[in-house]
Amino acid sequence: GIQVEQSPPDLILQEGANSTLRCNFSDSVNNLQWFHQNPWGQLINLFYIPSGTKQNGRLSATTVATERYSLLYISSSQTTDSGVYFCAVDDYGGSQGNLIFGKGTKLSVKP
Amino acid sequence: NAGVTQTPKFQVLKTGQSMTLQCAQDMNHNSMYWYRQDPGMGLRLIYYSASEGTTDKGEVPNGYNVSRLNKREFSLRLESAAPSQTSVYFCASSLLWTEAFFGQGTRLTVV
Repeated sequence: GIQVEQSPPDLILQEGANSTLRCNFSDSVNNLQWFHQNPWGQLINLFYIPSGTKQNGRLSATTVATERYSLLYISSSQTTDSGVYFCAVDDYGGSQGNLIFGKGTKLSVKP
Repeated sequence: NAGVTQTPKFQVLKTGQSMTLQCAQDMNHNSMYWYRQDPGMGLRLIYYSASEGTTDKGEVPNGYNVSRLNKREFSLRLESAAPSQTSVYFCASSLLWTEAFFGQGTRLTVV
């Protein structure tokens, strides 16, 4: 099945710094999503981005489907950005759009 | 518009007890999913349902059963709980091949 690898596994930032999180996937996909899991465990949809570039405030994401990677950019980080960021893709060759998750990047933003 | 609603939010079971986790969505989605999340891991698919009346196994189905009661509701049953099933359980829904939305999670402890 499809493999999803996220890097780095852990990231510590000072408030106000910028960061880039990466997601590599091993096969073609129909669907790619980025989620933020906050410290209370809630999964929050950030982007649905199977290809192209999207922006939402201080966050933006780019997926280059032909090269099988996606990037999540966080600018001017805030303490509320702390948590775990997951990339998830469907298995194009599989069935029913099941999402396969990477292991996440744990982000800690220090004041 | 509540999105995806899971009950209960927390549960403690003794080994061998049974319970059912409930999930309902109000977005008219066809597909529904049950995932589990263990410490340091991404989410892993237990079961999914592509449409009312159909269910299929995911990556980690052993020890679980599911019922797609109607288009809105998808329940997960543990017939005889084991400590290895201590986890956080997430329900999700989507239209096929599109953005998935997750419930708030159920934190289950089996002692």
